[in-house]
Amino acid sequence: GENVEQHPSTLSVQEGDSAVIKCTYSDSASNYFPWYKQELGKRPQLIIDIRSNVGEKKDQRIAVTLNKTAKHFSLHITETQPEDSAVYFCAASKPYGGATNKLIFGTGTLLAVQP
Amino acid sequence: DTEVTQTPKHLVMGMTNKKSLKCEQHMGHRAMYWYKQKAKKPPELMFVYSYEKLSINESVPSRFSPECPNSSLLNLHLHALQPEDSALYLCASSRMEKVGTGELFFGEGSRLTVL
Repeated sequence: GENVEQHPSTLSVQEGDSAVIKCTYSDSASNYFPWYKQELGKRPQLIIDIRSNVGEKKDQRIAVTLNKTAKHFSLHITETQPEDSAVYFCAASKPYGGATNKLIFGTGTLLAVQP
Repeated sequence: DTEVTQTPKHLVMGMTNKKSLKCEQHMGHRAMYWYKQKAKKPPELMFVYSYEKLSINESVPSRFSPECPNSSLLNLHLHALQPEDSALYLCASSRMEKVGTGELFFGEGSRLTVL
């Protein structure tokens, strides 16, 4: 079936601490895993993504790891800042048919960074 | 121009009204999407167009009718909606490497209220 589980649903950290959000997908054919950040009242925006042929990717304070065997991937934010406060959605993309993949979003994590 | 523009930003309609949501992008993207997002929930895929052809319809009720008149425009025609259809409707576009495996560029959304 189509399912992307995301944990935790809410996460509160102190400024400067690290935050970790975890996702699990069910379809082993999934091959693309983006993370989107959505600030209150704003559009979702891509912050980092990883493809199935890579185990880890880093961009400044943000990193994503992928374990294909266990079918889970994680977002790591280091040195958190108040402007990191937002809802974060993981997603997994699987072949749908022809030249099309289908992207399934996780349930979201509300991250609050306390100053 | 790296934006996806949606109009109107807000729409209130009765259950017997007919209205349309519009989406426009000038990034040369050949894949365009409609998502529905309820409060505190992830975006939920409704339709995908690739090269102006409908490639995914997620069993959306016929009271929602998508249209892609050209490569820059995407419409969502609304008729006989129900109050539970009230939500934020997000349009997105992506490059046509392979639909669903690249960055989604979202618009700000049209907030729909059905009375």
